[in-house]
Amino acid sequence: ETGVTQTPRHLVMGMTNKKSLKCEQHLGHNAMYWYKQSAKKPLELMFVYSLEERVENNSVPSRFSPECPNSSHLFLHLHTLQPEDSALYLCASSQGQFNSPLHFGNGTRLTVT
Amino acid sequence: TQLLEQSPQFLSIQEGENLTVYCNSSSVFSSLQWYRQEPGEGPVLLVTVVTGGEVKKLKRLTFQFGDARKDSSLHITAAQPGDTGLYLCAGGGGGSNYKLTFGKGTLLTVNP
Repeated sequence: ETGVTQTPRHLVMGMTNKKSLKCEQHLGHNAMYWYKQSAKKPLELMFVYSLEERVENNSVPSRFSPECPNSSHLFLHLHTLQPEDSALYLCASSQGQFNSPLHFGNGTRLTVT
Repeated sequence: TQLLEQSPQFLSIQEGENLTVYCNSSSVFSSLQWYRQEPGEGPVLLVTVVTGGEVKKLKRLTFQFGDARKDSSLHITAAQPGDTGLYLCAGGGGGSNYKLTFGKGTLLTVNP
């Protein structure tokens, strides 16, 4: 078990659908992250929550909406996505301190048709 | 904008060979982390280096942080098929505890 669990592992959705990605961490960390991983690009930080407050929002389109109801759970709500949003979406957690390592989940492979 | 360039982008070698992958930047980082990502999984931290000139060893893996804290290298001795994966470097600092700058990665394949 990685300590960070993401569901679903695979998701195919049309451009008019609404879906949500879920992430749960069992490590007692106080920071949670959403990253986007696309081919031939570096990992892109999308959102960071620390103690359930959003502390980073990297100019992500509004069709991606994060939610952090408590320090163990993180959601990414998706609506009216575009085909270029197809990617691996990785959730991570950390202690939120300087040089704290990231603990990643295994990701959700999203395909937008 | 801080950027990290990783080279080579792809590397395919035979079991038992040695290899080095590089992570370079024109920016100074307060720390460098190396991760390995296997197919179908998320990245897993291998090491963090924080001091210029620092060398850390993890079994057959040797990590070095440049004196000026702008570059890092990962050397693998006697590579094994289990070393196959995407190696990512990530630079920390820049005034945020949360933002890491990632490179695009080196995809290593070790053939039996």
